[in-house]
Amino acid sequence: EVQLVQSGAEVKKPGESLRISCQGSGYSFTNSWITWVRQMPGKGLEWMGRIDPRDSHVDYSPSFQGHVTFSVDTSINTAFLQWSSLEASDTAIYYCARQRSLDFWGQGTLVVVSS
Amino acid sequence: DIQMTQSPSSLSASVGDRVTITCRASQSIGSYLNWYQQKPGKAPKLLIYTASILQSGVPSRFSGSGSGTDFTLTISSLQAEDFATYYCQQSYSTPHTFGGGTKVEIK
Repeated sequence: EVQLVQSGAEVKKPGESLRISCQGSGYSFTNSWITWVRQMPGKGLEWMGRIDPRDSHVDYSPSFQGHVTFSVDTSINTAFLQWSSLEASDTAIYYCARQRSLDFWGQGTLVVVSS
Repeated sequence: DIQMTQSPSSLSASVGDRVTITCRASQSIGSYLNWYQQKPGKAPKLLIYTASILQSGVPSRFSGSGSGTDFTLTISSLQAEDFATYYCQQSYSTPHTFGGGTKVEIK
């Protein structure tokens, strides 16, 4: 059974750093892109970008380029989304999903950034 | 970036109704169009990919059509469990943008 399991909710202060994770199982992790999607409170879905676990090639949306970093650790079948300096506007649920057509999704990670 | 415009943004319908949601791309995307369903507090779920291919396990009352710039998601007979928000997404070129969503509510 294909599963993407994300790390738990986080509460952070502005300026702090954060890394959240997405672990895949039930399929060959290196064969499928991992995409990150943001959903701000009460809002729609936003495509942040994707990473190819085979070679760590990344495509960032211009809206997120320079503010987030994607990475993978294939030894533990895990993708990461990282911020070096959070802002209040980063408060959202972040989803990971696999493949071009986003056929399987993680359960989401709630990130709250508040002073 | 390719802009995806969904209409309507919301609709009210009754169980048994036929429901149609449209999605328009700002440029041709071939058939690289996906549809998702999201219920409150849950992750989105893939319904249809490549414009018209039903994802495994999705009821046959859902169907998709279109190519180029204009696409449609149809629910042939709305069921209680179909009340949700629906999103289209183009996967033709990055960033793979989503439409703004269509909330389907109970009349």
